[in-house]
Amino acid sequence: SQTIHQWPATLVQPVGSPLSLECTVEGTSNPNLYWYRQAAGRGLQLLFYSVGIGQISSEVPQNLSASRPQDRQFILSSKKLLLSDSGFYLCAGDRDGAEAFFGQGTRLTVV
Amino acid sequence: LAKTTQPISMDSYEGQEVNITCSHNNIATNDYITWYQQFPSQGPRFIIQGYKTKVTNEVASLFIPADRKSSTLSLPRVSLSDTAVYYCLVSPRDYGGSQGNLIFGKGTKLSVKP
Repeated sequence: SQTIHQWPATLVQPVGSPLSLECTVEGTSNPNLYWYRQAAGRGLQLLFYSVGIGQISSEVPQNLSASRPQDRQFILSSKKLLLSDSGFYLCAGDRDGAEAFFGQGTRLTVV
Repeated sequence: LAKTTQPISMDSYEGQEVNITCSHNNIATNDYITWYQQFPSQGPRFIIQGYKTKVTNEVASLFIPADRKSSTLSLPRVSLSDTAVYYCLVSPRDYGGSQGNLIFGKGTKLSVKP
């Protein structure tokens, strides 16, 4: 079965600091990969998705970026965090519209 | 992408059957309907997926009418642990050159009371 490993589980970062969140996939190859952000009590906002190595589509303009250096690796980055970047970040994957699988999420607090 | 509309919230009591309906008027021929469950501070979890008529698994049933413009997730005999947010998604399957169609709406917050 497909599994997503996402780390860290929680992160506290000062405003203006860089960010790097990584997720890796097991159990499948060539998945679509996604980064979401979820504010408290709100729905999942799609930030980026990737259909293959080096292919990134951005859904929301912001100071975040994503990269997919390997088939099963998806990275979310920022050069300078803002207070508004706080939230719950989820990495997800799917193949051809079958059921999606999610990581456990990272709770980011920017202070 | 077909847009989905769900009730924002629903209340129920333990032991009752809960039906959550999702509208997707612009569903395409190759779209499937998938439901997910999310608990606080966790990633969503797959519940059930279907294309038409009725699908049943060990946790839920999914009813899809012939026109496929809506679907109903049915949870039999809910318990307190079923309190969660439920999302309905519509996306194509076996879509060569998939464009990553995994867009979540606001979901339905189900509260199960004792």
